[in-house]
Amino acid sequence: EVQLLESGGGLVQPGGSLRLSCAASGFIFSNYAMTWVRQTPGKGLEWVSAISGSGATTYYADFVKGRFTISRDNSKNTLYLQMNSLRAEDSAMYYCAKDRGPFASFWFDPWGQGTLVTVSS
Amino acid sequence: EIVLTQSPGTLSLSPGQRATVSCRASQSVSGDYLAWYQQEPGQAPRLLIFGASSRAPGIPDRFRGSGSGTDFTLTISRLEAEDFAVYYCQQYGSSPTTFGQGTKVEVK
Repeated sequence: EVQLLESGGGLVQPGGSLRLSCAASGFIFSNYAMTWVRQTPGKGLEWVSAISGSGATTYYADFVKGRFTISRDNSKNTLYLQMNSLRAEDSAMYYCAKDRGPFASFWFDPWGQGTLVTVSS
Repeated sequence: EIVLTQSPGTLSLSPGQRATVSCRASQSVSGDYLAWYQQEPGQAPRLLIFGASSRAPGIPDRFRGSGSGTDFTLTISRLEAEDFAVYYCQQYGSSPTTFGQGTKVEVK
């Protein structure tokens, strides 16, 4: 069974940093692109970033470019999202999700349960 | 970016009734690359439909996706108790991928 378990969320001050992790199991991790999607009550679901199975190709939403970095460690079956220069509007539930193949096709199945990020002073 | 507008915002129905959720795109969705997700309270979204009309593995056949271009529909033929949830459409034909704002299907 495919399982995705996010961690690393929490309360951080504006301008601060946080690193999210997503531990994957139940599939050959390196064979699949992975993505981060966030959700807020106000803006709904927003795609944040994606990475190919090999890690060679990364994609970012404009609103996080230059601030967030996606990466993966295929030896540890783990996906990461390094978030710097955090803003109040980055507060959200962050989900990792598995893509359908080694290259990002941007439809997602399954999703993890999410980790909550709150940016506030 | 493509804006997806779902209607209605809330659908109040009884078990056994048919639910119809609409998703309209601000421009044509390339390849009809449109997905539907279901989200139950406190849970992550779950893929129901991809490619506008293909059911994901394990999804019951009472869920049907249809449409093309800019107009897409999710139909649930006979609502069961576990179907009362929020439904989202997502286009992945153009970058960036975008989601609709969601339609809540609630018990009448």
